[in-house]
Amino acid sequence: ETVLTQSPGTLSLSLGERATLSCRASQSVSSSYLVWYQQKPGQAPRPLIYGASTRATGIPDRFSGSGSGTDFTLTISRLEPEDSAVYHCQQYGSSPWTFGQGTKVEIK
Amino acid sequence: QVQLQESGPGLVKPSETLSLTCTVSGGSISDYYWTWIRQPPGKGLEWIGYIYYSGTTNYNPSLKSRVEMSVDTSRNHFSLKLNSVTAADAAVYYCARGRSWYAYWGQGTQVTVSS
Repeated sequence: ETVLTQSPGTLSLSLGERATLSCRASQSVSSSYLVWYQQKPGQAPRPLIYGASTRATGIPDRFSGSGSGTDFTLTISRLEPEDSAVYHCQQYGSSPWTFGQGTKVEIK
Repeated sequence: QVQLQESGPGLVKPSETLSLTCTVSGGSISDYYWTWIRQPPGKGLEWIGYIYYSGTTNYNPSLKSRVEMSVDTSRNHFSLKLNSVTAADAAVYYCARGRSWYAYWGQGTQVTVSS
């Protein structure tokens, strides 16, 4: 199965700063079938980016995704208070679909 | 707006069977894939598998020997059974719509495994 490793484990930044989250796959993710989710405490995950770089419906343009093959990045261009959350990546290129362990973004 | 709601016992004894149902409202269960995902306390998400409304399934090999999914189109719900549970199966269980990635999720239901 494809193992996804997210880094860093925790990111602590100030409002307005840029956040860069990494998701590295143990093997190439076919057709860039990678999605990023945001999860707040007590809530289900919400999709932000699918197909590695396409924003999901209603997602603000400060969120962007990039990458291919084994290296993917989620960028939050200017952190807002509501961006404090855990961010998960998931690949759906080869079964079984797998998730990373998550990156927690904290606002200082 | 489609909504999903998980239901089932919050406490299951070791070695017994965990049974959950996900009821879909605001849309038909037909023509879609339906997925179960779980999240152990303090850990990441784990894909359990999916079922198509016609009954076709795909399970995570790590759980395949213990998992069974079913769908009831007349009641607009689908179900998960996980047998021979252990403490490692304690988690928040989510149902979601889709085969590959998930825009619609249930709120999740906590399942504890304890005697």
